[in-house]
Amino acid sequence: KAGVTQTPRYLIKTRGQQVTLSCSPISGHRSVSWYQQTPGQGLQFLFEYFSETQRNKGNFPGRFSGRQFSNSRSEMNVSTLELGDSALYLCASSLGGEGNYGYTFGSGTRLTVV
Amino acid sequence: QKEVEQNSGPLSVPEGAIASLNCTYSDRGSQSFFWYRQYSGKSPELIMSIYSNGDKEDGRFTAQLNKASQYVSLLIRDSQPSDSATYLCAVRGRDDKIIFGKGTRLHILP
Repeated sequence: KAGVTQTPRYLIKTRGQQVTLSCSPISGHRSVSWYQQTPGQGLQFLFEYFSETQRNKGNFPGRFSGRQFSNSRSEMNVSTLELGDSALYLCASSLGGEGNYGYTFGSGTRLTVV
Repeated sequence: QKEVEQNSGPLSVPEGAIASLNCTYSDRGSQSFFWYRQYSGKSPELIMSIYSNGDKEDGRFTAQLNKASQYVSLLIRDSQPSDSATYLCAVRGRDDKIIFGKGTRLHILP
């Protein structure tokens, strides 16, 4: 069973640019969540998508957006990049729906803004 | 602001001993609780989940939940050097968001 796939693994962008990260969840998983991980702040919740709808959102500025497609694949977009956006971006998938499910994380996308 | 608090460590434990990791949370309506292990340079891996008060055992791992006191703990018996990692506590609140603590670094001494 394939795991959670995130692409690309590494990105270097310049301030002011925008970036799109992709996540393919485990087959059959309908929920995709995104987290930003930095050494100082740990894992910070960005948003969760379930069945193409944003179900939850964290406390990030509107420059951070996402979407989910009908095949449950998800993309995250960051516009007008700032130096502080440099981080590991992790996607996590779960079955979603009713019930308590833990996440399976992808390997992450390491974004460096210069 | 809902919070999940963990001691950052490092927590040093001799090989073969019991490692005890603790976590407190602020949202009294939290529904489910998770422990993740993260090796350096890797992504977090789910090792335990617990939903009801009491203990839940899985191999060398035991998760303990006390909702009245708003804490959850993880015990690792017969600690091995391969258990050296950062352990993240995660809590699903009543708003369904899963919030992570900043993690406790565990170092098993050979």
